[in-house]
Amino acid sequence: QVQLRESGPGLVRPSQTLSLTCTVSGASISAGNYYWGWIRQHPGKGLEWIGYMYPSGNAHYTPSLKSRSIISGDTSKNQFSLKLNSVSAADTGKYFCGRVSLFYSDTNGYTVWLDFWGPGTLVTVSS
Amino acid sequence: QSVLTQPPSASGTPGQSVTISCSGSNSNVGGHTVTWYQQFPETAPQLLIYANSRRPSGVPDRFSGSKSGTSASLAISGLQSEDEADYYCATWDDSLKGPVFGGGTKLTVL
Repeated sequence: QVQLRESGPGLVRPSQTLSLTCTVSGASISAGNYYWGWIRQHPGKGLEWIGYMYPSGNAHYTPSLKSRSIISGDTSKNQFSLKLNSVSAADTGKYFCGRVSLFYSDTNGYTVWLDFWGPGTLVTVSS
Repeated sequence: QSVLTQPPSASGTPGQSVTISCSGSNSNVGGHTVTWYQQFPETAPQLLIYANSRRPSGVPDRFSGSKSGTSASLAISGLQSEDEADYYCATWDDSLKGPVFGGGTKLTVL
């Protein structure tokens, strides 16, 4: 069974860097058939993609967070991480990691889904 | 404000059928497949439907998905109290060059 778990500080000071790690078990982040992503949810609000990492180590980011985000992997620990710099109160929320399936066909376009999620970790940005 | 529009709320009584819509454009729903997630309070979302209408193993067949043009729908038949949750649609968006979620719909079982 694939399991993911987020870890990291629950409190980050404004203007500092939010650093989270997702530990994966039951699957290898270096396997070629899945991507590994980060999603967040502001308190009482909807879901927001942050980005996802390719097995090769390259990453894709949602445009609004691209300039502040870095997603990277550590295959030796089967972990991947998120760094979000210059945080503000607007970055407060629950952060989830997940396994991403992503396919493209000329007929159907892109098909993307997350089939396994971590339980999430709450991060508060406050002084 | 998401590029995918969902009604903020929906409701039904036990045994009824409910449909939740997800409206987009040719650059997202119209050109790509749609995924649906179910999220209970204080828990992570769970995959409900992928590729417009496919159910992962373990998802009851009371849940079904469909897509027509630039709109997609999640239908829940035989509504049960345990279906009370938030539901999110998601797809790829060409303008954003990446995946996107809808704003979510809170389903209340009366």
